[in-house]
Amino acid sequence: AQTVTQSQPEMSVQEAETVTLSCTYDTSESDYYLFWYKQPPSRQMILVIRQEAYKQQNATENRFSVNFQKAAKSFSLKISDSQLGDAAMYFCAYRSAQGNEKLTFGTGTRLTIIP
Amino acid sequence: ETGVTQSPTHLIKTRGQQVTLRCSSQSGHNTVSWYQQALGQGPQFIFQYYREEENGRGNFPPRFSGLQFPNYSSELNVNALELDDSALYLCASSSPRAGGETQYFGPGTRLLVL
Repeated sequence: AQTVTQSQPEMSVQEAETVTLSCTYDTSESDYYLFWYKQPPSRQMILVIRQEAYKQQNATENRFSVNFQKAAKSFSLKISDSQLGDAAMYFCAYRSAQGNEKLTFGTGTRLTIIP
Repeated sequence: ETGVTQSPTHLIKTRGQQVTLRCSSQSGHNTVSWYQQALGQGPQFIFQYYREEENGRGNFPPRFSGLQFPNYSSELNVNALELDDSALYLCASSSPRAGGETQYFGPGTRLLVL
C-alpha cells in the first residue's frame, strides 16, 4: 500500500518570503500522480498543483512550484512571495495511475504567514 | 469554487442513529469519491462511485454505504453511528474524460456524534 509522509506538522514564514513544505511517499508503482491541496479554515480542499510522475519537468502554478524527485520519492512544494491568504493546512496526496482514483493523503502541514 | 456541493453543512446525531449525507458533483463529472477527515488528520478514502457502481472501497465497515444516482449525485449513509464517526466528510468529483486524475472537493459536512 502507498503511504504519504509530511514530516512538518507546522511551518511559518514571513509575508513576501519563500517557504518549502516537504512530502515523501512510498510506492512500488512507476506511474502515478501527486498533488498538493490547500485546506483553509473554511474546510474546502482546494487543488494547488499536480504532477504526473512520467513528466520530468517540475510543475509550476504562478507562485507555487514543486521539486519532484522520483528516485528519492520526494515531492516538496515551494511557495514564493508568501501572502496572508496562503495560510492554511497543506496536504500532499498520491494517486495511482491504475485502478480507481482514490487519493492517499499525508497528515498535513499547517502554514502560518507572519505579517 | 469547484461546483461540488454538499449538504447539510453541519449535523449532530446521537450514538446508534443513522445519517445520510449528500453530494452533487461538478457538471460533467461522473465519478464521486467520499473521504472521512478526523480532526487534525488527513482525509481517509471511504469509497468511490463511477456511473452508479461502487468502484473501490477503503478500510471502512459495511455500516458505511453509498449510492450514486443517474445525475451522478451521491449519498453516503452511515448506520449505527459511533462516537468515532465524528468527523468532516468530504466528497470529491472527477471525470475520466477531462483530467480525470484530479479530484475536486466540496466544502464538506461536519458530523458530530454525541
